Amino acid sequence: DQQVKQNSPSLSVQEGRISILNCDYTNSMFDYFLWYKKYPAEGPTFLISISSIKDKNEDGRFTVFLNKSAKHLSLHIVPSQPGDSAVYFCAASSSNGKLQFGAGTQVVVTP
Amino acid sequence: NAGVTQTPKFQVLKTGQSMTLQCAQDMNHEYMSWYRQDPGMGLRLIHYSVGAGITDQGEVPNGYNVSRSTTEDFPLRLLSAAPSQTSVYFCASSRDGNTDTQYFGPGTRLTVL
Repeated sequence: DQQVKQNSPSLSVQEGRISILNCDYTNSMFDYFLWYKKYPAEGPTFLISISSIKDKNEDGRFTVFLNKSAKHLSLHIVPSQPGDSAVYFCAASSSNGKLQFGAGTQVVVTP
Repeated sequence: NAGVTQTPKFQVLKTGQSMTLQCAQDMNHEYMSWYRQDPGMGLRLIHYSVGAGITDQGEVPNGYNVSRSTTEDFPLRLLSAAPSQTSVYFCASSRDGNTDTQYFGPGTRLTVL
């Protein structure tokens, strides 16, 4: 039973526009959330994270929003660039649990 | 630093064969883990280790063994390969466990015929 869900397997966005990736979770014990980015034939790389005590974390073009009551988080990429084309994984963990990943969203940034 | 390295990059096995996927890290990280990635399933934790001599099961441990004799190395053994183990395998390490940034290796693509 997947406790972290990314319901959009793919997203196409024009260069310069905003990309919004969504992630839902079911386990209320999750208190730390991460986004990883993966290029083909490479391992995932850490992008940004957020603790449950915050509702927003920003790092350059990347912002993660957390809505605990809705058990929902989102990743905003502004502006989107061709190098952002990759698979993005949402992940969540609790202090005494293991890291759980969503199925991923393939982002394609078009010129 | 080489980071996290994995060998081999590709492997084809026949059903019933055994093999070991190698993983090494040079960042002196205590926490290491193995994941498998399957289409539509994301990354699923197989086994993990919080330090040399200590291992534990993840979400999908059946058919796999691990050991951690040194801080640097964390091999994953397939005891008797099955077609259901066809997947891409990633090793990861971190300093402080599953709430810390995980550093992933480049992956091993395994096909079991």
